[in-house]
Order: sequence, then structure tokens, then C-alpha cells
Amino acid sequence: EAGVTQFPSHSVIEKGQTVTLRCDPISGHDNLYWYRRVMGKEIKFLLHFVKESKQDESGMPNNRFLAERTGGTYSTLKVQPAELEDSGVYFCASTTTAGLGGTEAFFGQGTRLTVV
Amino acid sequence: GEDVEQSLFLSVREGDSSVINCTYTDSSSTYLYWYKQEPGAGLQLLTYIFSNMDMKQDQRLTVLLNKKDKHLSLRIADTQTGDSAIYFCAERRGGGYNKLIFGAGTRLAVHP
Repeated sequence: EAGVTQFPSHSVIEKGQTVTLRCDPISGHDNLYWYRRVMGKEIKFLLHFVKESKQDESGMPNNRFLAERTGGTYSTLKVQPAELEDSGVYFCASTTTAGLGGTEAFFGQGTRLTVV
Repeated sequence: GEDVEQSLFLSVREGDSSVINCTYTDSSSTYLYWYKQEPGAGLQLLTYIFSNMDMKQDQRLTVLLNKKDKHLSLRIADTQTGDSAIYFCAERRGGGYNKLIFGAGTRLAVHP
């Protein structure tokens, strides 16, 4: 069975451009999370989907970030317009219906975003 | 300051034990986790411990939890070169559906 996959693995864009990151969770996982690690610091929570609904978006930095999960399957995270401080590694994770109650959250390999 | 704190770097000799430490802030956290990230790979769950436990052992891994001091540690016995990676401590926050709060990660370097 495929794990959590993220695309692209790397992206280099200029300041002001738009980038869209994609995450395909494990099939059947209702919970999908986005996280970000900036410049070797801690991995920070961005938001959480339950199926197609946003359960918690308290970690989204600002309105330049837009996350969607149409149909409750894959998710996209769009940054528009990108700024230098958006550079980092964006991780996606998914869990089963039970959520995090002792259950493993499966992470993708991450998308490394560099804004120049 | 960070909610979850870890030392950034640890260097050990192959065959020795490694101890990676972590402090967290939320006394209501129910689960605490250790994740491993190898170069170019995603985060892999190594182990987790429920907050009513003091210790958990899984082969070469031993997790110790001191709830009073909000201190978590991961001990890797007989450290191998394949253990070289970044290790992240994380706490689970919130009830019901919830999120992980991570530290900045400890880079473990294993040398001959």
C-alpha cells in the first residue's frame, strides 16, 4: 500500500510567485495534517482536515496560504504570493478515523520550498 | 520560547548508548512521541509513550518519562551508523482530533 505522497519534492520559486503543494494521504485516512519546518527550527502545525472539512487551521501563518481538500481525498496547499520567509520543508501527515489517539500519524517525505 | 525543547546536536561513538533529551510544557499532554528523520526521507514514528507510564522499552530503544519535570528521553543502546538521523520529540495536544507539537530536532551523528 502506498504511503503518504507529496509533490513536488523540491520547488524553487521567486518571491511574488505562486506555488501549489500537493499531498495524497493513505487511502481511507480521514485525517490530514499539514506541518512546516522553517530553517532547521521546530516542525510547526499548520492545519488539520477531517475529510473535506477544516477541523483546525490555527497554525496557518496568514491569508497568503490556502489549503483545500476537495472530496476529502488529496489536499493542496497554495502559497500566493510567496515571500522569502515561506521557505522551508512542508510535511503532510494522515491518520485513520480515530485520529491521534495513540495511533501513528504517517508522514510524507516533505516538499522543500525555496523562495528566492 | 519553544513549547518543546531539545538539544540540537549529539555525537556518539558506534556501539555506545545515545541519550536524547526533551522537555515539554503542557502537563495535559496524553501521548509523547519520538520521530526519526533520515536524510531525504519523511518522519518515521519510532515509539510513543502514554502519559501514565514512566518507561517503555522496545528492543534497543528505551523511553523515560518524568511527568513532574515534563522531561522525556530516548535512549538508543548499541548505537549504529544507521541510527544517524534527526530525532524529533513531539507531544499530543488537545482532545478528540488533535495535533502534534514538535521540538526542533536533535541531530545524532554516529562515528566509528
